[in-house]
Amino acid sequence: SQTIHQWPATLVQPVGSPLSLECTVEGTSNPNLYWYRQAAGRGLQLLFYSVGIGQISSEVPQNLSASRPQDRQFILSSKKLLLSDSGFYLCAWSWARGQVNTEAFFGQGTRLTVV
Amino acid sequence: GQQVMQIPQYQHVQEGEDFTTYCNSSTTLSNIQWYKQRPGGHPVFLIQLVKSGEVKKQKRLTFQFGEAKKNSSLHITATQTTDVGTYFCAAPQQIYGGATNKLIFGTGTLLAVQP
Repeated sequence: SQTIHQWPATLVQPVGSPLSLECTVEGTSNPNLYWYRQAAGRGLQLLFYSVGIGQISSEVPQNLSASRPQDRQFILSSKKLLLSDSGFYLCAWSWARGQVNTEAFFGQGTRLTVV
Repeated sequence: GQQVMQIPQYQHVQEGEDFTTYCNSSTTLSNIQWYKQRPGGHPVFLIQLVKSGEVKKQKRLTFQFGEAKKNSSLHITATQTTDVGTYFCAAPQQIYGGATNKLIFGTGTLLAVQP
């Protein structure tokens, strides 16, 4: 069976500090990978989307970047955090294009507070 | 760009009352998915609808896909406190020639159930 791991669960970081959130998927190959951000009480904003190693689509201009160094590893980074980067960050995976089922499976999320 | 809007943003009901959330897209969709996010949790996939006019049921939940495949609804009969959470619809981004696996989420409906 497939599992997705995302860590850490919570994070408090000072403004201007770097960020690295990691997400790994097990039990499948060549998944689509996503990073979403959710502000308190709000919807899910797609930040990055990847269909393969080294292939990253950035959805909104921002202070963040993403990388996919391995097939099942997705990393969200920032060189210098801003207060507005606070939120609930969710990693997700779905089956590759062409598959019948396209639902997304989410990690537990990382609650980031920038102070 | 493609937008997926949900109404209402928030609904407060007494336990036992029915609840409906509606999802509307600016474009024709290849399929639509529904997710539930419990407070403090991550979104969990509920169901996927593919066919025009499709209706699916999961116990007290009824999901419907519009004939034009531009709207969908989720109806909960006789709500219970366990139904509390935010309900999201989501759909693959539509591009010329078909759909991608990039999931665009609706704005969500927060359901509160008073015992």
